[in-house]
Amino acid sequence: AQKVTQAQTEISVVEKEDVTLDCVYETRDTTYYLFWYKQPPSGELVFLIRRNSFDEQNEISGRYSWNFQKSTSSFNFTITASQVVDSAVYFCALRGIQGAQKLVFGQGTRLTINP
Amino acid sequence: DGGITQSPKYLFRKEGQNVTLSCEQNLNHDAMYWYRQDPGQGLRLIYYSQIVNDFQKGDIAEGYSVSREKKESFPLTVTSAQKNPTAFYLCASGSGGSSNEQYFGPGTRLTVT
Repeated sequence: AQKVTQAQTEISVVEKEDVTLDCVYETRDTTYYLFWYKQPPSGELVFLIRRNSFDEQNEISGRYSWNFQKSTSSFNFTITASQVVDSAVYFCALRGIQGAQKLVFGQGTRLTINP
Repeated sequence: DGGITQSPKYLFRKEGQNVTLSCEQNLNHDAMYWYRQDPGQGLRLIYYSQIVNDFQKGDIAEGYSVSREKKESFPLTVTSAQKNPTAFYLCASGSGGSSNEQYFGPGTRLTVT
């Protein structure tokens, strides 16, 4: 079975602080894909990043960065110099290549950036 | 503009009534999905379709039905058999294949009283 755990239910920081959202996953697939999505108050999920299991390079996109560590089955997301517009619920998701083509989502982390 | 549309944004129904949620995409994606989101929880897959005229049950299909007569459209019917229909429903589409990300619509918030 596949599972994604986001242990942090809610995080609140002051603007300009750095914040890291944790994601731990479980899968028996040797090939799999990991995703992060952002859900602003409007409700629509916005795709942020995809990472495959063979690519452990960290990725940086502006103030966003992702740290994929296969050894600890983690795919953490860091926002540097946070801004109020970063306030949202963030979901980590996993997709294997076996069986149904579905995304398995974590419970989500509600991030609040206070001015 | 390319994207996924869901209508309406808010929907209210009386218990015992069937209701159909609309989902349309113009991204030329083969695969479409329906998810349900409950407060404080992640998304759970209801149904998905990888090609026209074919669809499969997801994790929580009971009380729901779908059709996929056109590539662009994947309507979801919430039947009276669904015990707890009040939720936020999200439609998504993707190119298909495990590597491809899914793109989501704005969602429909269904309230059944």
